[in-house]
Amino acid sequence: EDQVTQSPEALRLQEGESSSLNCSYTVSGLRGLFWYRQDPGKGPEFLFTLYSAGEEKEKERLKATLTKKESFLHITAPKPEDSATYLCAVQEAGGSTLGRLYFGRGTQLTVWP
Amino acid sequence: GAVVSQHPSWVICKSGTSVKIECRSLDFQATTMFWYRQFPKQSLMLMATSNEGSKATYEQGVEKDKFLINHASLTLSTLTVTSAHPEDSSFYICSATGLPVYEQYFGPGTRLTVT
Repeated sequence: EDQVTQSPEALRLQEGESSSLNCSYTVSGLRGLFWYRQDPGKGPEFLFTLYSAGEEKEKERLKATLTKKESFLHITAPKPEDSATYLCAVQEAGGSTLGRLYFGRGTQLTVWP
Repeated sequence: GAVVSQHPSWVICKSGTSVKIECRSLDFQATTMFWYRQFPKQSLMLMATSNEGSKATYEQGVEKDKFLINHASLTLSTLTVTSAHPEDSSFYICSATGLPVYEQYFGPGTRLTVT
């Protein structure tokens, strides 16, 4: 069973059309939840870390929020350069492998002009 | 943010040969490094975790003798794909965490093609 589920798998937005990506997780104890952006043929780029329910972080047009069972990545007035795959990952508290991340399958975002 | 580099960015090799991929943390001490493999349109699959000066811990199903990992210093880890075969062709990505960073920072990836 997947510990991290992202939805939707793919999302097409017109430039300026705001939306949200979802990441739900089932680990028993959360140490941290991470959002990354990945462009084709490149490694993931770190965006945010969230540690506790109610926490929010912002960077330019992106805002990440966290509840006890899920996280949202809100994209406000997106631009074509925001097109990428957005990956969510969780780190389990007390996990056997220190620092191990469990990744979702990602949401492929396309923003067209 | 912290910077992680990988070398080479792409490599083509013949079946049966070995290939070494380097992963370096440029501006922090990487006490732990991770090696991932990624197939097209799929998410990252963790292959192994290595701590500086210790043997790597491999995920279930990953052949230790085929994917040799060395983490000899706080800034360098290497992945050697031994006796490579076409099915080993993939995108290999490393990540690192340590002091003073907490998050995992990823390298740009290495595209391996085995002919």
